[in-house]
Amino acid sequence: GNSVTQMEGPVTLSEEAFLTINCTYTATGYPSLFWYVQYPGEGLQLLLKATKADDKGSNKGFEATYRKETTSFHLEKGSVQVSDSAVYFCALSGTSYDKVIFGPGTSLSVIP
Amino acid sequence: DTGVSQDPRHKITKRGQNVTFRCDPISEHNRLYWYRQTLGQGPEFLTYFQNEAQLEKSRLLSDRFSAERPKGSFSTLEIQRTEQGDSAMYLCASSLTRSPHEQYFGPGTRLTVT
Repeated sequence: GNSVTQMEGPVTLSEEAFLTINCTYTATGYPSLFWYVQYPGEGLQLLLKATKADDKGSNKGFEATYRKETTSFHLEKGSVQVSDSAVYFCALSGTSYDKVIFGPGTSLSVIP
Repeated sequence: DTGVSQDPRHKITKRGQNVTFRCDPISEHNRLYWYRQTLGQGPEFLTYFQNEAQLEKSRLLSDRFSAERPKGSFSTLEIQRTEQGDSAMYLCASSLTRSPHEQYFGPGTRLTVT
């Protein structure tokens, strides 16, 4: 079945450091891929998405590229801020299903 | 900004009791989803509705769980004879039919079964 694997956390970075959170997926067909973010005390929010191979999703300085050949969707940001501290979930939605399948989440802490 | 709302935000109950949670989706969204999230894990799909019709249920949804969306607006999730393993965050999300993958999540109801 469809599944998502992402790097284990927690990840701790200094402000302005470069961020990469790895995500790989297993799916039949051509799923849509997502990154969701959960800030402390808040609900899940869609951060960015990509719906086909080689698409790049971007938002708030974050970006991720849909790589079908490596079944990956790594999240990157060039310079993180303290306000980026949150849990990040990689997720997919298959072409036949409307439910979203989430990875286990990666906790990010950015220190000043 | 009227996003997805859930009530209650927290519920503590004793094992064996029944509990009911409510979700109010974004008003124009005709799809509504329920997920469960345990500590340190991502949300897991439970069920979803297209208007008032329940179209899919996960195997996680045992017969102690029932969800309804009687008028195609708000939804309720009931758990009968709660067990300690039911302790989790229950999340509701909604979307438009034409954009089912763009789901907007509510803040969740945290259930603790003692």
